[in-house]
Amino acid sequence: DAKTTQPPSMDCAEGRAANLPCNHSTISGNEYVYWYRQIHSQGPQYIIHGLKNNETNEMASLIITEDRKSSTLILPHATLRDTAVYYCIAGGGADGLTFGKGTHLIIQP
Amino acid sequence: DTGVSQDPRHKITKRGQNVTFRCDPISEHNRLYWYRQTLGQGPEFLTYFQNEAQLEKSRLLSDRFSAERPKGSFSTLEIQRTEQGDSAMYLCASSSKDYTYAQYFGPGTRLTVT
Repeated sequence: DAKTTQPPSMDCAEGRAANLPCNHSTISGNEYVYWYRQIHSQGPQYIIHGLKNNETNEMASLIITEDRKSSTLILPHATLRDTAVYYCIAGGGADGLTFGKGTHLIIQP
Repeated sequence: DTGVSQDPRHKITKRGQNVTFRCDPISEHNRLYWYRQTLGQGPEFLTYFQNEAQLEKSRLLSDRFSAERPKGSFSTLEIQRTEQGDSAMYLCASSSKDYTYAQYFGPGTRLTVT
């Protein structure tokens, strides 16, 4: 599985778009990028995943660079309930996911 | 809602006792995973099953830990002779056999060893 690098923390104002970056420069061609989030004391919540193309669902959008070395998770209209630790994971979907420390996103009222 | 469920949600036990946790995956998901999470850290992979077969075990899974999935549906994780270092959140996840293998997590079982 590829190693990922994320900023340890970020702030975002409520109602604004939250853009969370992730570097995964060693990702291989068939490895997916997964995003999860975890609210304190709960299990991780699946958000979105992608391989090459940008993806969008009801929760977020995932933008993957053409060289696949980095990606950005976009929460279009952040709310206070989006305050959580966000994990970017490259590869490992078929067997065990390797979680790093993630980004602690704090939504400010 | 037919998400992943785990039982119990909390368990307090004394050092040296055995404990068993249960995980019920999303129905028709053939892969089931166990993770452990300690305070301030991300989840760490322990083991996973495809149907009833245990396909991979992490080095974290010492010989005091055993997991089963006898009929390819629910799974149990047993810890024998618990130690204080086993105190953690134990998470279960399941995934379907579609090519993306997105894993869906349960709420976890919080174990405290006193």
